[in-house]
Amino acid sequence: EVQLVESGGGLVKPGGSLRVSCAASGFNFSSHSLNWVRQAPGKGLEWVSFISTTGSYIYYADSVKGRFTISRDNARNSLYLQMNSLRTEDTAVYYCATDITGSSFDNWGQGTLVTVSS
Amino acid sequence: SSELTQDPAVSVVLGQTVRITCHGESLRKYYASWYHQKAGQAPVLLFYGEDKRPSGIPDRFSGSNSGNTASLTITGVRAEDEADYYCSSRDRSGNLVVFGGGTKLTVL
Repeated sequence: EVQLVESGGGLVKPGGSLRVSCAASGFNFSSHSLNWVRQAPGKGLEWVSFISTTGSYIYYADSVKGRFTISRDNARNSLYLQMNSLRTEDTAVYYCATDITGSSFDNWGQGTLVTVSS
Repeated sequence: SSELTQDPAVSVVLGQTVRITCHGESLRKYYASWYHQKAGQAPVLLFYGEDKRPSGIPDRFSGSNSGNTASLTITGVRAEDEADYYCSSRDRSGNLVVFGGGTKLTVL
């Protein structure tokens, strides 16, 4: 069974940093591209970032480019999102998701809540 | 603002058929993917590509594309289909992903 488990969310002050992680199991992790998708409270889904199987290709939404860094460790079956210079508008549940086609996300974790507030 | 536009809310009578639409220029070049999300849960992929449905998704969920519009059709709507529905696709550059704003489906 495919499992994606996010962790590392919490409360952080504006301007602060946080790293969220996604631990994967039940599938060949190194063969799948991965994404982070977020959802602000009561709002819709927003794609955040993509990383290819080896990390050779990385893309970011304009709203996070220059502040967030996606990475992966295929030996540890783990995905990461380093978030710096956090803003109140970054408050959201952050989901990791596997990727079939580059824009079709077939497996999702349960999400981890990041709250940016003073 | 999203490059994909969805109606904020749609309602349907139990057992009837409903179509949820998604509009955007990138849909002329890229297929949409469709998800539903129930309260407090992660999204679930329902349909993607030209004609692909993940295993376990009933065939009463189907997708179609025409010009700058993608559609998700649900036939024989059930009470359990009440949820938020989202489309996604690549943006016009082809490198980034965009989601529609979501459609809240109410089953009457």
